Amino acid sequence: DTGVSQNPRHKITKRGQNVTFRCDPISEHNRLYWYRQTLGQGPEFLTYFQNEAQLEKSRLLSDRFSAERPKGSFSTLEIQRTEQGDSAMYLCASNRQGNHGYTFGSGTRLTVV
Amino acid sequence: AQKITQTQPGMFVQEKEAVTLDCTYDTSDPSYGLFWYKQPSSGEMIFLIYQGSYDQQNATEGRYSLNFQKARKSANLVISASQLGDSAMYFCAMREDTGGFKTIFGAGTRLFVKA
Repeated sequence: DTGVSQNPRHKITKRGQNVTFRCDPISEHNRLYWYRQTLGQGPEFLTYFQNEAQLEKSRLLSDRFSAERPKGSFSTLEIQRTEQGDSAMYLCASNRQGNHGYTFGSGTRLTVV
Repeated sequence: AQKITQTQPGMFVQEKEAVTLDCTYDTSDPSYGLFWYKQPSSGEMIFLIYQGSYDQQNATEGRYSLNFQKARKSANLVISASQLGDSAMYFCAMREDTGGFKTIFGAGTRLFVKA
């Protein structure tokens, strides 16, 4: 159990550029979640995968955001045409059926300049 | 609509004393789960404790206990024998069993433990 791994840890990008983040969950965890956290707030739910199926998406997830989990293992979150309002910490979490809490990764901090 | 309220932006506690962090919630779902997470300055959220809405007894995990008062819709976290390493942000969270898979989080309480 090596924990949930997220890369990169930090990303600075210019407005209008596309960015992609990666999350590697704990290997036996079939459930994967993406959250976004802005300064001074709790995490906000973005999307949920069970194995490779994306079962739930927040209305916060505009059409500029897309997430995949192609083989039910790692996941990617892509933001197209980034805006300054996208600046936040993007957190990935995983668990398996029967678990109550999540195991979170350390997050990817995105700064859009 | 589901909602979590944490009214204490910051709390101070003396090392070795107990502290209670407040959390109230709102839901119309009779079946739900309540959670507390810790977020140290390193940023990684750490799951602490879980309480199901039908659990008869308050949850406990080591020095953490959840004071669940269903009628008042409160789920306060009690940390006993505070340690310097307990200094962190603490988030209360809830997931409705019929509300999909999302967990909603409160705004958090920052705890400072004084030596």
